[in-house]
This record gives sequence, C-alpha cells and structure tokens, in this order.
Amino acid sequence: DTGVSQDPRHKITKRGQNVTFRCDPISEHNRLYWYRQTLGQGPEFLTYFQNEAQLEKSRLLSDRFSAERPKGSFSTLEIQRTEQGDSAMYLCASSLLGGYTFGSGTRLTVV
Amino acid sequence: AQKITQTQPGMFVQEKEAVTLDCTYDTSDQSYGLFWYKQPSSGEMIFLIYQGSYDEQNATEGRYSLNFQKARKSANLVISASQLGDSAMYFCAMRGVAQGAQKLVFGQGTRLTINP
Repeated sequence: DTGVSQDPRHKITKRGQNVTFRCDPISEHNRLYWYRQTLGQGPEFLTYFQNEAQLEKSRLLSDRFSAERPKGSFSTLEIQRTEQGDSAMYLCASSLLGGYTFGSGTRLTVV
Repeated sequence: AQKITQTQPGMFVQEKEAVTLDCTYDTSDQSYGLFWYKQPSSGEMIFLIYQGSYDEQNATEGRYSLNFQKARKSANLVISASQLGDSAMYFCAMRGVAQGAQKLVFGQGTRLTINP
C-alpha cells in the first residue's frame, strides 16, 4: 500500500476538450473525496463517495463535471467542455475512520 | 455552515525558532474536528495534527502542537525548532461530525518560509 495515487500528475488541454482524472485510494478505505484547489487558495470540496455511492456533491460541481466510483475502488472525475476557469489542482483523498490521506493531485491547465 | 479563517498569508521565520500559525473557526456544531495539513511545492497534503472538540488536552505530534482555545474558537499550530524543510503552505481545516458532515472545510492557508 503506497497511499493515494492520482493520474495523470499534469494535464494540459485545449478549451472545449473533455478530460478524465483517476484516483486510486488506499485499498481498505471506504470513503473517497474530490477537492479542487486554485492558485493561492485552500482546497474546496467537490464530492464524496462511500463505497460506490456518491453521497454529497458541492454546488461547485456543475453539470459539466461527473464523478464515478464503480465497485467502490478507484474513482474517476470527468470534466466535459473544459473552460479556462477549470484550471486548478484536483486533489483526491480517502479515509476509513476519519483520518484523510491525500494524493499528490492532478494539475489541470486549460489553454 | 463551517468556516476557517487563516489571517496570515505569509510568515518568515529564522531556522530553529518556534512559529505559531493562526487559525480561527466558526461552526454551530457541538462536536467537530480540527486538522492541520502541510502542502509542499510537490502538491500533496500532508497530515500534521488533529484536535477533537471534546479533547481536553492540546494535541501534540513531535515538533507540532495545537494550541486549542475552544471559547475563542481558535486552533493555532505551533512548530517548535523550525527547520528549512518546514517551508511550505499550511492549511487549517475542520470537519463536523453530524450525520453526513464528512467533508473537510479548509482555510486559505499560510505560506511559511524558513530562513537559514
């Protein structure tokens, strides 16, 4: 077990393209979270899963964003029709009993 | 709604000195948890220390301690004997413990620079 893994680490995309990020949590952790962090700000909550069920979504998660966690293991976050305002670090975290372990994030740049 | 306020955008400290990073919070929950994370330039959030709202003792983890003043709603992080490797962004965060309140709410962070 090497912690929470996120792929890719960096992604540059053209405005209007779709992008998908992957998060592999710590294997025994049943909860998985996605956060977005813009430059100079703290992370903002996007959504979280308990096992495969998506239990809460932030208003930040517009209809261009979708997240899945099939079979309660890895999760994907897709952004459709990317906009320049989507440029940010996307962080994934997992937890079991209240402690949170974060991945290194995916840095998205929309040009 | 929960809110975290970190009023120090940047702090500069000499190596080996102690440093206090400020954090105040606002919540209507009776039970909650407070966290501090370190974020180096590599981007990952590294857990430092946790304080539960009902914990009577201030939390300590090695060189890190949390100065928890519940009546003042403050949860300051104290780093003793600072090291060059402590240079990073530091975030205070809280989580309610009510049903469904699983997410962390973060402050805006403090950039700590340790000078040799």
